[in-house]
Amino acid sequence: GAVVSQHPSRVICKSGTSVKIECRSLDFQATTMFWYRQFPKQSLMLMATSNEGSKATYEQGVEKDKFLINHASLTLSTLTVTSAHPEDSSFYICSATGTGEATNEKLFFGSGTQLSVL
Amino acid sequence: KQEVTQIPAALSVPEGENLVLNCSFTDSAIYNLQWFRQDPGKGLTSLLLIQSSQREQTSGRLNASLDKSSGRSTLYIAASQPGDSATYLCAAPFSGNTPLVFGKGTRLSVIA
Repeated sequence: GAVVSQHPSRVICKSGTSVKIECRSLDFQATTMFWYRQFPKQSLMLMATSNEGSKATYEQGVEKDKFLINHASLTLSTLTVTSAHPEDSSFYICSATGTGEATNEKLFFGSGTQLSVL
Repeated sequence: KQEVTQIPAALSVPEGENLVLNCSFTDSAIYNLQWFRQDPGKGLTSLLLIQSSQREQTSGRLNASLDKSSGRSTLYIAASQPGDSATYLCAAPFSGNTPLVFGKGTRLSVIA
C-alpha cells in the first residue's frame, strides 16, 4: 500500500526557534498534501492544503507566515513552524493523496510529529 | 458549516464483545466516508473507505455502513480484542476535491 513518511516523530525545541517537519510519499506521487494539527483530546484540524508547485491554501485562523509550507515536488512537502512558542506545541500530521488507481480519493497519513516547545 | 460528530466519545468493553461506533454528518452530499484508527501519539491508519454510492464495506472483523439520507455511518467491530484499543475517527470530504472533515473520535478500550 501507499506509504507516507513523516520526520521527525518527536521534537523538543526552545521558544523562538524554527522547526521543520518533512512529509514524503514513498511509492506514489502526491498531487495534494494536507497538514493537520491535533491538540490533546481534540480532533484533527486542517491547517493547510498544498498542491505540488503552487502556494498552499491556509485555513482561516492559521498564520501563513508562521506555518510555512513548501510542496516543491510530487513526493515531498515540508511544514516549518517559525519562531515556535509553547502554544504551538501540538501533534502535527501530514496526509497525501495521489491520482493513481491505488491512491485515488484515499488519504494516506504520516505517523505524525509531536512538537513540544519549551 | 459541515460537521462530523461521533458518539460515544469513549467506550470500554470486555474482550470478545461486538460493538458499534457511530458517526453522523450534517451534509448528506458527502463524497465518501472514511474510518481511521489512531493509536496514541501515532498517525492515522485508514481502515475502510465507503464511496457515496456504496452502502457498506467490510475488512476482516470490521464492517462500515453508510446511510447518506440519514447522515449516518457506523463501524461495527466483531469479536473485539485488546489490540483493537485505539481512537477511531470518521471523516468525510464534502466534495471531490476538499479535505476531510473529522469527527472528534471514539476512544475504545477493550479489556482482556
